[in-house]
Amino acid sequence: DAGVTQSPTHLIKTRGQQVTLRCSPKSGHDTVSWYQQALGQGPQFIFQYYEEEERQRGNFPDRFSGHQFPNYSSELNVNALLLGDSALYLCASSLLNRAAEAFFGQGTRLTVV
Amino acid sequence: AQSVTQLGSHVSVSEGALVLLRCNYSSSVPPYLFWYVQYPNQGLQLLLKYTSAATLVKGINGFEAEFKKSETSFHLTKPSAHMSDAAEYFCAVSDNQGGKLIFGQGTELSVKP
Repeated sequence: DAGVTQSPTHLIKTRGQQVTLRCSPKSGHDTVSWYQQALGQGPQFIFQYYEEEERQRGNFPDRFSGHQFPNYSSELNVNALLLGDSALYLCASSLLNRAAEAFFGQGTRLTVV
Repeated sequence: AQSVTQLGSHVSVSEGALVLLRCNYSSSVPPYLFWYVQYPNQGLQLLLKYTSAATLVKGINGFEAEFKKSETSFHLTKPSAHMSDAAEYFCAVSDNQGGKLIFGQGTELSVKP
C-alpha cells in the first residue's frame, strides 16, 4: 500500500501564476482533505472532498479551488499566487465520517517568488 | 468555534526523562481530540485520539494522553524519552469524526543525549 502520495514534492512559482497540486489517496479511502501549513505553524484546513463534491471549506479565498475525480484522487488549484501562499500543502485521505483519523501525505512544498 | 493552544513552542528533555507536551482546547460541543507527530520533511502521523471513550488514551511509540474535561486539557506524555522522539508535535480538535481538524501551533521536542 503506497499510502497517500502527493506530487510534485517541491515547486517554485512566480507571483500571479497558477499552480495545481495532486493527491492520490490511500487505497480504500474515499475522502480527501487539503491543509496549508505555513512555516512554523500548524496546518490549516482548506477544504474536503467526497463523491467529487466540496463537502466543507475553511477560511480560504476563492483563489483556492479543488477537484476530486471518480478514482478519488484530488487536485488543489491556486490562482493568482501571492508570496503568502508559500507553504507546505498537505493532503489527507480517509473514509467519510473518519476524516479526523486521516492519513497524511508528505506534502508539496510551494515557494512563491 | 473550536481552538487549540499548545503551551511551549519548544520543549527540550534528556534521553530517558519524562516527556510532557501541553494542549488546551476550546469547544462548544464534546470534542474529538488528537495528537499528531511530524518528522522533518514528512507529513503528519496520528499518535493517538480521544473520541469520548476512555479518558486515558494510549497511542503508538509509548505515548499516552489524558482527557480532562474540567481543565479542557489533553496533555501528551511519555515516561521515558528516546532520541527518535525528536520531532514536531501537533494537538488537534474536531467537532465530529468526519469534520475538519483544527490544529495548534505545534511543539518542537528536542531530546538531548
